[in-house]
Amino acid sequence: DVKVTQSSRYLVKRTGEKVFLECVQDMDHENMFWYRQDPGLGLRLIYFSYDVKMKEKGDIPEGYSVSREKKERFSLILESASTNQTSMYLCASMPGPGTYNEQFFGPGTRLTVL
Amino acid sequence: AQSVAQPEDQVNVAEGNPLTVKCTYSVSGNPYLFWYVQYPNRGLQFLLKYITGDNLVKGSYGFEAEFNKSQTSFHLKKPSALVSDSALYFCAVRGRRGSQGNLIFGKGTKLSVKP
Repeated sequence: DVKVTQSSRYLVKRTGEKVFLECVQDMDHENMFWYRQDPGLGLRLIYFSYDVKMKEKGDIPEGYSVSREKKERFSLILESASTNQTSMYLCASMPGPGTYNEQFFGPGTRLTVL
Repeated sequence: AQSVAQPEDQVNVAEGNPLTVKCTYSVSGNPYLFWYVQYPNRGLQFLLKYITGDNLVKGSYGFEAEFNKSQTSFHLKKPSALVSDSALYFCAVRGRRGSQGNLIFGKGTKLSVKP
């Protein structure tokens, strides 16, 4: 079974802190994604990566950056956390190539910024 | 632009009754459609997908979905609901970002199954 793990289930940070969210997948997938989930808004794509050291902006990249130094790991970075970044963050991976494949999700990290 | 809509925020069903969770889509080109389920405090789990072929797609946990091109719909169905089916359901369509395509999700429908 594909396993996508996220470093923390719950995280509480202060405004202005630099925050790292880590995601690791164990199935050698080429593609990885970061979403945030907010009630009534569904999932919104922040960033994604289709190869090591490659990244592309999603729909809401402002205030975030990412890093993918190894194939299995995709990190989301909040350079200076703000209260409006309080949310559930979901990581996903997907095998490639092919547009028919489904994404596999991690359990999520619920981030609270005070 | 690719998009999906889930017109119902919440669906209430009695256990044992059939359930339907609605999804409509708007795409340019062939639609690649997905359903996911999210249980409380969990990540999303893949249920099923439509790529091509038979309009009735069968998936996990007894769920199925009917693709209707003329109505641009992809409704999720189950003949007999269980209390354990209570969860948040997301419809998604393949987008066009990047070389592999992202997923564009609907806002989700909360399914509540009462005993």
